[in-house]
Amino acid sequence: KQEVTQIPAALSVPEGENLVLNCSFTDSAIYNLQWFRQDPGKGLTSLLLIQSSQREQTSGRLNASLDKSSGRSTLYIAASQPGDSATYLCARRISNFGNEKLTFGTGTRLTIIP
Amino acid sequence: GAGVSQSPRYKVAKRGQDVALRCDPISGHVSLFWYQQALGQGPEFLTYFQNEAQLDKSGLPSDRFFAERPEGSVSTLKIQRTQQEDSAVYLCASSPGLGREQFFGPGTRLTVL
Repeated sequence: KQEVTQIPAALSVPEGENLVLNCSFTDSAIYNLQWFRQDPGKGLTSLLLIQSSQREQTSGRLNASLDKSSGRSTLYIAASQPGDSATYLCARRISNFGNEKLTFGTGTRLTIIP
Repeated sequence: GAGVSQSPRYKVAKRGQDVALRCDPISGHVSLFWYQQALGQGPEFLTYFQNEAQLDKSGLPSDRFFAERPEGSVSTLKIQRTQQEDSAVYLCASSPGLGREQFFGPGTRLTVL
């Protein structure tokens, strides 16, 4: 059962455009949310971690926001490049003490067109 | 200063065989996680260790799956009597502690024929 949803499943945009990836979750008891990228046949690379007390985090061209009340997080990528092509996954950790597992969405497969 | 490493990277097993998958976490990371990723899906949690203690094994799909971390560092995920539905990528992650960022290894792709 997927409690984390990512729409769309796939997205293609021309190089240089700014874009937003969406992540929604069903429960508000969120401890933190982590964004990853996954290249074909590879493991996951951590991009950003947002704690429940934070509204956003930035790293280079990436900006992630978190809205607990609406159950949404977005990953904003500025000035997209072909090297940004990958699958982007969000994962949330709930707030129960000792519950460390991440629950993942199914990902958005991003293609940047040169 | 290496990241999380996993071996083997690829494993092909005949149905009914036992397999063992290894994970070397980042040095000093106390938390270690195993996830299973089916094709086209996000990873699904299997089990979690804090040092050598297995604190959560709620995601293990059957009693054929067993994980250990006897000295609080390297971990092994063992699957007995493999079935075709066990075919997936098995990902290991480690973390410095509670609530901290998780860092993933490259995964082991298991194919059961």
